[in-house]
Amino acid sequence: DAGVIQSPRHEVTEMGQEVTLRCKPISGHNSLFWYRQTMMRGLELLIYFNNNVPIDDSGMPEDRFSAKMPNASFSTLKIQPSEPRDSAVYFCASSRRHGGQYFGPGTRLTVT
Amino acid sequence: QQQVKQSPQSLIVQKGGISIINCAYENTAFDYFPWYQQFPGKGPALLIAIRPDVSEKKEGRFTISFNKSAKQFSLHIMDSQPGDSATYFCAAYSGGGADGLTFGKGTHLIIQP
Repeated sequence: DAGVIQSPRHEVTEMGQEVTLRCKPISGHNSLFWYRQTMMRGLELLIYFNNNVPIDDSGMPEDRFSAKMPNASFSTLKIQPSEPRDSAVYFCASSRRHGGQYFGPGTRLTVT
Repeated sequence: QQQVKQSPQSLIVQKGGISIINCAYENTAFDYFPWYQQFPGKGPALLIAIRPDVSEKKEGRFTISFNKSAKQFSLHIMDSQPGDSATYFCAAYSGGGADGLTFGKGTHLIIQP
């Protein structure tokens, strides 16, 4: 049974470039979450979706960040333009209602 | 505003000992309390979880103790092993896990052989 799938696993890009992170949640899960993890700030919730609808995006740092979930099996997190301070590990997680969240392996983003 | 306070920030335990990590929360709407284990380079993995209608849940060497009146819960790792060395996060959710998501800051646990 496949877990949450994220791609790419590593991304190195230059400041000002657009970055797109991808996530495939576990089949049957109706909630999807995007997190960012850094040493300084720990694990931060950026945005989450229920049934493909964005519910709370108050954690999105600024307008440079956007997320979409066009269907139940796919979501993207886009950063445009990227900045060095966006360097972090980005996790996607999914859950059923009344259940724990299952995290993907993460995407390590480095912006130079 | 930190809604879930986790302590200690780091912990060193001898092999075979008991590791204890504590969390406290303020929001009484929280109704699901999971613990996550994270190894370097990996995503957090759901370890064990409890709902507030029980005071304790045990799975193998891992036990959650829950004190609803004090708004506190803790993770106990019995017979701690070097393979348990990881970062542990407590979390508290409301709305069945889809709302009110809050993680503690994490505890870096080292089990010395």
